[in-house]
Amino acid sequence: DAGVTQSPTHLIKTRGQQVTLRCSPISGHKSVSWYQQVLGQGPQFIFQYYEKEERGRGNFPDRFSARQFPNYSSELNVNALLLGDSALYLCASSLHPDRNYGYTFGSGTRLTVV
Amino acid sequence: QQQVKQSPQSLIVQKGGISIINCAYENTAFDYFPWYQQFPGKGPALLIAIRPDVSEKKEGRFTISFNKSAKQFSLHIMDSQPGDSATYFCAASISSGNTPLVFGKGTRLSVIA
Repeated sequence: DAGVTQSPTHLIKTRGQQVTLRCSPISGHKSVSWYQQVLGQGPQFIFQYYEKEERGRGNFPDRFSARQFPNYSSELNVNALLLGDSALYLCASSLHPDRNYGYTFGSGTRLTVV
Repeated sequence: QQQVKQSPQSLIVQKGGISIINCAYENTAFDYFPWYQQFPGKGPALLIAIRPDVSEKKEGRFTISFNKSAKQFSLHIMDSQPGDSATYFCAASISSGNTPLVFGKGTRLSVIA
């Protein structure tokens, strides 16, 4: 069984640019969550989606947006990139948004903003 | 506001020794406390988790101790091995309802031979 798949694995962008990160959940998992992990810190919650609907949002600016597709895959978009957006972006999937004890994380996308 | 405080930030343990990582939480509504292990270049992987209805849970060499009154929980790694060298994160959440995991800042464990 494939785990949570994220693409790309690494990305370098310039300040002010826009970026789209992609996530494919484990087969059968309908909930996808996005976390930002800054170097040396624990993951911080950005978004949770279930059945294409946003179910939760962390304390991140409106430059961050996301969506979930009918096949339960998800995209995270970040506009007007800042140097501080440099981080590992993690996607986690679970069967249901209320069952976060079933979280499985992907390996993440390492975003570097220069 | 940091809801889960983790210590120490880094830890060096001799092979065969016991590694102990501590966490404290603030929100008394939390009822699910997992520990994650993260290797460089990988995402966090669930190691072991506990709910507040028990004071201890053991899986192999890994044990969680939980003190509800003190709002603290800890991870013990017995017979630590070089392969255990990784970053460990504690986390907390409310298991029912739409509540995300809140993570500690992590502990970098190095097990030396």
